[in-house]
Amino acid sequence: DVKVTQSSRYLVKRTGEKVFLECVQDMDHENMFWYRQDPGLGLRLIYFSYDVKMKEKGDIPEGYSVSREKKERFSLILESASTNQTSMYLCASSKSVLLAGGDNEQFFGPGTRLTVL
Amino acid sequence: GQQLNQSPQSMFIQEGEDVSMNCTSSSIFNTWLWYKQDPGEGPVLLIALYKAGELTSNGRLTAQFGITRKDSFLNISASIPSDVGIYFCAGRRGTSGSRLTFGEGTQLTVNP
Repeated sequence: DVKVTQSSRYLVKRTGEKVFLECVQDMDHENMFWYRQDPGLGLRLIYFSYDVKMKEKGDIPEGYSVSREKKERFSLILESASTNQTSMYLCASSKSVLLAGGDNEQFFGPGTRLTVL
Repeated sequence: GQQLNQSPQSMFIQEGEDVSMNCTSSSIFNTWLWYKQDPGEGPVLLIALYKAGELTSNGRLTAQFGITRKDSFLNISASIPSDVGIYFCAGRRGTSGSRLTFGEGTQLTVNP
């Protein structure tokens, strides 16, 4: 089974801190994604990556950056955390842009609930 | 990015009842997906739809890809307590593996 793991389930940080959220997948997937989930807004895409060292902005990239130095790891960085970044953060991965079918869809990690005080 | 319009936002039903939820968009999608999120977990894929008009079942779940490519629905028959969770629709315009657009979610509560 595909496994997507996130470094923390719960995290509490203070305003202005630099925050790193780590995501690791163990199935050699090419694509990785970071979302935030807020009640009534669904999942909104922050950044995604189709390959090592490659990144593309999603719908709400402001206040975030990402890093993908290795294929299996995709990090989300909050340079200076703010209270409006309190949210559930979900990482996902998928195999390839070239493949079709249910087993090529996005698999999600368990999420990190971040609270910024 | 455009959100999908998912309804209803929440449902409170009795065990054994059937459930229906849907997603609509003003744009055409090539793929429709339905995910379920259990409390405290990440979303899990339930059903994937790749052709307009396609009707697919997964146990008590049935989903359809609207013929106009602008909508999809999910039905759950004979609901049970473990159906509780948030259900998300997601659509994709481009090629396989490219980014998804998610609906706002439907929170389902099933009373035993």
